[in-house]
Amino acid sequence: DTGVSQDPRHKITKRGQNVTFRCDPISEHNRLYWYRQTLGQGPEFLTYFQNEAQLEKSRLLSDRFSAERPKGSFSTLEIQRTEQGDSAMYLCASSSIGGGANYEQYFGPGTRLTVT
Amino acid sequence: EDKVVQSPLSLVVHEGDTVTLNCSYEVTNFRSLLWYKQEKKAPTFLFMLTSSGIEKKSGRLSSILDKKELSSILNITATQTGDSAIYLCAVKTSYDKVIFGPGTSLSVIP
Repeated sequence: DTGVSQDPRHKITKRGQNVTFRCDPISEHNRLYWYRQTLGQGPEFLTYFQNEAQLEKSRLLSDRFSAERPKGSFSTLEIQRTEQGDSAMYLCASSSIGGGANYEQYFGPGTRLTVT
Repeated sequence: EDKVVQSPLSLVVHEGDTVTLNCSYEVTNFRSLLWYKQEKKAPTFLFMLTSSGIEKKSGRLSSILDKKELSSILNITATQTGDSAIYLCAVKTSYDKVIFGPGTSLSVIP
């Protein structure tokens, strides 16, 4: 399968613990996006990369969140000192830089985080 | 701040009905508008719209963009229970940043 993959699919952690999620994009895609989605809401933009460069980080993202894409391939999203409000689905998507605006994002299955 | 708004937020219809979902946006450096369908998993792509007035169609679904009104509609004709899902509108801005709306939850009952 050559789609976007995410690991783990589910994570239960206790408040105050650190968690790290991984996203493997489609191999030829150079853009990678992280979103957070809570029940009844659309995906909320967190950050995105072009190759290994982080282009933008949401102002809503606290300093407990950090993302990396060290070799321009897979990416990790780390949440330090988790809080119950961090419980959500974390979605990763990838795309290629097409000519003009005509490309689409392909989403991974998501990692569902539950903070107890 | 860039914003995408959708209405209604939820909708219940009977099989066979036609529905219209609305999306409006306020963004800087608009590039394109996207529609996605989300069932109990990750969003799947439906349409990308870049030009006003040109309707995109796929089966019973169609969508059109009005850049003057900063809005788009998604129409679904002859709805089926399999159309039950959350329909997400998103806008791509400069540098390919994508902002999503809250979604419209559609329930189609037999």
